[in-house]
Amino acid sequence: GQQVMQIPQYQHVQEGEDFTTYCNSSTTLSNIQWYKQRPGGHPVFLIQLVKSGEVKKQKRLTFQFGEAKKNSSLHITATQTTDVGTYFCAGGASYDKVIFGPGTSLSVIP
Amino acid sequence: DGGITQSPKYLFRKEGQNVTLSCEQNLNHDAMYWYRQDPGQGLRLIYYSQIVNDFQKGDIAEGYSVSREKKESFPLTVTSAQKNPTAFYLCASSRDRGQTYEQYFGPGTRLTVT
Repeated sequence: GQQVMQIPQYQHVQEGEDFTTYCNSSTTLSNIQWYKQRPGGHPVFLIQLVKSGEVKKQKRLTFQFGEAKKNSSLHITATQTTDVGTYFCAGGASYDKVIFGPGTSLSVIP
Repeated sequence: DGGITQSPKYLFRKEGQNVTLSCEQNLNHDAMYWYRQDPGQGLRLIYYSQIVNDFQKGDIAEGYSVSREKKESFPLTVTSAQKNPTAFYLCASSRDRGQTYEQYFGPGTRLTVT
């Protein structure tokens, strides 16, 4: 069946270093959403990408949607301790189906 | 203050007992969802509902049941048939079932069955 994968599963960085998580789908997606879940918390929507090759920025976060609409990435510049959490991508498959990836857990060492 | 509430935050039950998890939203959203989260496995869809009195099975519906008698409420019952019920349960809602709508999540209920 259709799958959405994310790598890496875990990432430990020194505060100030950059961080990137990658999301890959086995099939073409119509859109991609990104969510952040703080430790002990619930997922919170960050952004949605719809167009092929789309790039969006939110302060230190940069989101990309691949040209083939089968992959996406989230890049954080100069990580801070407030960036700690698990980042999920969610791919839009059929009209009403969204598939969540397993997430990338980010730890930031002060 | 709009949002989704889930209660209780922590729930403990003995094996063999059914348990119902509450989910209420005041966002006037049509679609509601239940997910299960286990460590390292992301979010797995249990059930979803697009309108009142209608709901559909997700990827892991076995051992669970739901109802949608009111737009605002979507309770989940974890039955004794669920083999591994201990998990973190998240309820979510979105304006519509369509994939282009962001999902708003509740704070979750952590269920422990012993």
